[in-house]
Amino acid sequence: SQQGEEDPQALSIQEGENATMNCSYKTSINNLQWYRQNSGRGLVHLILIRSNEREKHSGRLRVTLDTSKKSSSLLITASRAADTASYFCATNVANQAGTALIFGKGTTLSVSS
Amino acid sequence: DSGVTQTPKHLITATGQRVTLRCSPRSGDLSVYWYQQSLDQGLQFLIQYYNGEERAKGNILERFSAQQFPDLHSELNLSSLELGDSALYFCASSVESRVYNEQFFGPGTRLTVL
Repeated sequence: SQQGEEDPQALSIQEGENATMNCSYKTSINNLQWYRQNSGRGLVHLILIRSNEREKHSGRLRVTLDTSKKSSSLLITASRAADTASYFCATNVANQAGTALIFGKGTTLSVSS
Repeated sequence: DSGVTQTPKHLITATGQRVTLRCSPRSGDLSVYWYQQSLDQGLQFLIQYYNGEERAKGNILERFSAQQFPDLHSELNLSSLELGDSALYFCASSVESRVYNEQFFGPGTRLTVL
């Protein structure tokens, strides 16, 4: 079953603009992670935010987490053409057996030069 | 390069057949996960192994099975294949932690069932 839902499904912007993607989830979590996937290739881990954290930065990435609303956002600042990819949020659900991730359906980001 | 290897990269087979996908985790990672990615279902967790033992099951069909060997590599066996099994199959590995379980994904095996 799908835990996370990303919004929007697709986003097209110009180089230099900021891109914001949102993720909502349904159950309590240990952490929330964001991954990037370039067309049909493996997923690359971008950032992990723990359930007791509210904001985290990594380079041009900024992630926020609101556990009361069960939502997260990923902001990519000063986008580049190389940022074109699909972005997925994934949650590690609390009180589950194992440590698998439950992925959302992703946001497809297109950055044009 | 994530350090996770998967073979083969591509597999084309017929309905009713059986295939085996192989994964070698990153050095030091004891947990291995299998995921299936298809257009209609998205990324679905199939199964997790930890140090040779099954740890958790997700949406894995009874026709599918997996195991993790003493050298920690893992194999996913898919049998009685159907057209709907065509998908990208990913293996991932991580340290076992409920808080810091960043997962490292292999390049995937693209399975096409004709």
